[in-house]
Amino acid sequence: DSGVTQTPKHLITATGQRVTLRCSPRSGDLSVYWYQQSLDQGLQFLIQYYNGEERAKGNILERFSAQQFPDLHSELNLSSLELGDSALYFCASSSPAGGGKSYEQYFGPGTRLTVT
Amino acid sequence: AQKITQTQPGMFVQEKEAVTLDCTYDTSDQSYGLFWYKQPSSGEMIFLIYQGSYDEQNATEGRYSLNFQKARKSANLVISASQLGDSAMYFCAMRESAGGTSYGKLTFGQGTILTVHP
Repeated sequence: DSGVTQTPKHLITATGQRVTLRCSPRSGDLSVYWYQQSLDQGLQFLIQYYNGEERAKGNILERFSAQQFPDLHSELNLSSLELGDSALYFCASSSPAGGGKSYEQYFGPGTRLTVT
Repeated sequence: AQKITQTQPGMFVQEKEAVTLDCTYDTSDQSYGLFWYKQPSSGEMIFLIYQGSYDEQNATEGRYSLNFQKARKSANLVISASQLGDSAMYFCAMRESAGGTSYGKLTFGQGTILTVHP
């Protein structure tokens, strides 16, 4: 158990819909990263937050957005869903507030999104 | 831009044997980190081992060791005494430094599927 939690585990929805994926980082971790894993694109970085602020953006579509809340949990919002958005979405956390091995990124179990 | 290459789509190994999974990388950064993750069929990503670009010794974690050859830009994972439970997808990844107290995104290779035969 990495200490990172993600909900829901599975999500099935229709094209055009909007969903929200939730992530709780490891206790004390300040950074949250979102990644997408699909068969054709592999594992891709989407976006990073550090202590509530956006730090870096990757190949994140304009239909996708994210935020990190004061309690450090994060949400990834996916809207106007398309079939190609079907993927496994991972959240990872790092940068413990007290120092330590801040380079390590620990992944949550992922949310498997199926768009039909 | 950073790039990770894993040239072995699939590897087979006999139980109790050692196996090497290849990884080469490309970066213009002087400071970077290299990771290996394991993804079993259940889907979770399990952190295995980390090597910093300035680390002089190869990283080891139990049965896992990282053969880091900086001049060749390679970071191969060696698994000793393979077990049936080692059958999984293995990803090599590189971290770029984002500066300050925040460490950067990971760039992943395409992965290698390892199958351990009894």
